[in-house]
Formats: sequence, structure tokens, C-alpha cells
Amino acid sequence: EDKVVQSPLSLVVHEGDTVTLNCSYEVTNFRSLLWYKQEKKAPTFLFMLTSSGIEKKSGRLSSILDKKELFSILNITATQTGDSAIYLCAVSGSGYALNFGKGTSLLVTP
Amino acid sequence: EAGVTQSPTHLIKTRGQQATLRCSPISGHTSVYWYQQALGLGLQFLLWYDEGEERNRGNFPPRFSGRQFPNYSSELNVNALELEDSALYLCASSLAWGTGGRYSNQPQHFGDGTRLSIL
Repeated sequence: EDKVVQSPLSLVVHEGDTVTLNCSYEVTNFRSLLWYKQEKKAPTFLFMLTSSGIEKKSGRLSSILDKKELFSILNITATQTGDSAIYLCAVSGSGYALNFGKGTSLLVTP
Repeated sequence: EAGVTQSPTHLIKTRGQQATLRCSPISGHTSVYWYQQALGLGLQFLLWYDEGEERNRGNFPPRFSGRQFPNYSSELNVNALELEDSALYLCASSLAWGTGGRYSNQPQHFGDGTRLSIL
């Protein structure tokens, strides 16, 4: 059975800190790993990773995938209060649907 | 460009009733996915439609069903509602074709969801 595990489940940091969120997975016929940010309702797409070792960056956010060790990390540098959200990791396998982890709840305090 | 739109925003039903949820994908997207986000369980895949056909379904009973219309919009029907069906139902859409061919990796983009409450 496909499995996605995120850690930590929750995190509280101060503005300006750097955070690293983790995602490990087991999936049949891996196709891609995606990161989403969920603030109130709709998860917002951040990154899609398909190849090992290639870092994707968008502003203060970056992510990388290790297909040998079956994990990914999402880094956020110089955190701001607007980064407070639930960060979801999802993996696509042979069924094309996304298998989601339970998410990491990030709270950035002023 | 309009995002994925879902209606209604909130739906209140009683046990045993039937619910219909609707989704309009991003223009140009032909694949539509439905997910259930119940408290404490995370997002779970329900159904995937593309070109009017059901392509895959998750581990949910047959009383969860749906369809996709020629304009690629979709509806999710839940029959014989049970208390545990209370959840946020999210619809996502994606392009069906990528550089790697049909169903090659394309990100799914989500709507705001329908909050279904069963009394």
C-alpha cells in the first residue's frame, strides 16, 4: 500500500527562522512528488519534483527529492507570519491519483 | 484565468439523504479529481475523470459516484449519507497531456472545496 509520512506534524518558529519539512514515501511506480500549502481551504501548488537531486526554488522556498532514499525536503528561509499554514506532501504513483501525507502545521510567530 | 470552482460552499444534510457536489475545472484542463478531507484523516483520493470516463477510484464504497460532462465539469454524488461522510470535499483539475505524453506529470490544482455536514 502506498504511504506518505511527513514530519514534524507541527512546528512553531519565530519570524526569520529557517525551517525544513520532511516527507518520506513508499509508492508503486513513482511518478512525481508534489508540495502544497493549505491555509484555509484550497491547497495551493508549490512544487512538483520528478528527478533526484534537482532543487526547485521559488523565492524563499526550495525543495529537493532523493529517489534512492525515498524522501523530499521543503525548506523555507527567512520565515514570515504569512508562511503559517499546513504544508502537504503528495506522491503520484501508478494510479495517477495523489497520495497525501497528513501535513506539517507551521506557525510562524512575530 | 479562473481557478477551479466548486459549489455549493457548504451543504447540510441528514443521514440517509443524497448529496450532489459540483466542480468546474480550470479552462483547458480535462482531468478532474475528487478528494475527501475528513478531520484527522488527511486528503484521500475518491475519483478521477478524464474525457468523460472514470479512470480510477479510491477505496470508497459504491455510494460515492460521479460523472464528468462534455464541458469537463464534474459532479460528485454521495448516496445514503452517513455521519462519517462529514468532510471537506476538494476537487482538483489538471492538464491531461504533458511533454511525456498523455497523463505525463502535470500538477493538480485545487478548488476551495464543499464542506458537507451530516446531521
